[in-house]
Amino acid sequence: SQTIHQWPATLVQPVGSPLSLECTVEGTSNPNLYWYRQAAGRGLQLLFYSVGIGQISSEVPQNLSASRPQDRQFILSSKKLLLSDSGFYLCAWSTGFYGYTFGSGTRLTVV
Amino acid sequence: RKEVEQDPGPFNVPEGATVAFNCTYSNSASQSFFWYRQDCRKEPKLLMSVYSSGNEDGRFTAQLNRASQYISLLIRDSKLSDSATYLCVVRENDMRFGAGTRLTVKP
Repeated sequence: SQTIHQWPATLVQPVGSPLSLECTVEGTSNPNLYWYRQAAGRGLQLLFYSVGIGQISSEVPQNLSASRPQDRQFILSSKKLLLSDSGFYLCAWSTGFYGYTFGSGTRLTVV
Repeated sequence: RKEVEQDPGPFNVPEGATVAFNCTYSNSASQSFFWYRQDCRKEPKLLMSVYSSGNEDGRFTAQLNRASQYISLLIRDSKLSDSATYLCVVRENDMRFGAGTRLTVKP
């Protein structure tokens, strides 16, 4: 069966520090992968999506970047975190017509 | 105008009540539609897809009106466990999420 793993679950980082969040998928090949952010009390904002290795599309300009070094690995990064980067980060993969499956998320607090 | 708009609520209802959530979307070319459920501090999970003819899954009924670009979710006989935030989702090239409607079912 297909599963999606995301870590860490929670993270507290100081302003200006780097960030690396990892997402991996098992049980499928060549998935479409997505990074979303959910700010407190707000909806999900699509940050990046990838249809294949090395292929990244960015939805909004911001302090973050994404990479897909392997077929089933999707990484979200930042060189220097801002306070406004705080939020709930969710990785998702496309299950075709039937919607997305999300990882359990990383709750990031920038202090 | 937001791509997907929902009444944020909160909706506070007693157990056994019937509650309805509405959602409108802006892109008439949207291809498919879903309702997701998100529990507090958890990831969203698919509740049900929404089909043009309307569809039902137990106590949950979803309706789609393409002409009005409107989606609804009806929950009958509410349970305490239905308390959550319900996200309206519209698929264009990718998924667009509403901000969610918060439901609290009280004893």
